Amino acid sequence: SYELTQPPSVSVSPGQTARITCSGDALSRKYTYWYQQKPGQAPVLLIRRDTERPSGIPERFSGSSSGTAVTLTISGVQAEDEADYYCQSADSSNTYVVFGGGTKLTVL
Amino acid sequence: QVQVVQSGAEVKKPGASVKVSCQASGYSITSYVMHWVRQAPGQRLEWMGWINVGNGNTKYSQNFQDRVTFSRDTSATTSYTELSGLTSEDTAVFFCATSLGTTNLDYWGQGTLVTVSS
Repeated sequence: SYELTQPPSVSVSPGQTARITCSGDALSRKYTYWYQQKPGQAPVLLIRRDTERPSGIPERFSGSSSGTAVTLTISGVQAEDEADYYCQSADSSNTYVVFGGGTKLTVL
Repeated sequence: QVQVVQSGAEVKKPGASVKVSCQASGYSITSYVMHWVRQAPGQRLEWMGWINVGNGNTKYSQNFQDRVTFSRDTSATTSYTELSGLTSEDTAVFFCATSLGTTNLDYWGQGTLVTVSS
């Protein structure tokens, strides 16, 4: 089955830049989506179609893509950004959805 | 603005079934997709499948296809997921999430906690 790989954890100090990667064999051909999930809450869509930021999402969140890896970048990290982040894509037929394992962002 | 509201928490015994509902509002069309996602305590998001609320077409994850059924009530803009043969491993929060496509999840419900315990 198709898998997306994320680092289990990333730690940064406030004001620094956090980068969370997601890799998968089909990512060069498929869009990736990013979600933020805070404890006890539902996930929230952060980035759609690799780089698009939905309305209401702060500009410090951005997405980029290069080959079979995509990156979520959080510039000027704030304490409130501490959360789990999931990447998500689809299989080659756009039928099945797959999530990465999630990355816990810790703000030191 | 699209809003998604789910039914309340459930407690079930092993072997039982559970049916969770999800109501979406704010779409001007009926042909949208409702995804279902399971998240066990402290674990990752696990996609279960989707239903097209307009035409009833479904797609199930291979991990759930033997014991999950999606349905919908178009008049009430409500979707349902029914999971049978519950075990303790099904103790989880179940989320629904809607979008206009099958490959993304734009708007999420608040989650429904299902506890399986004897």
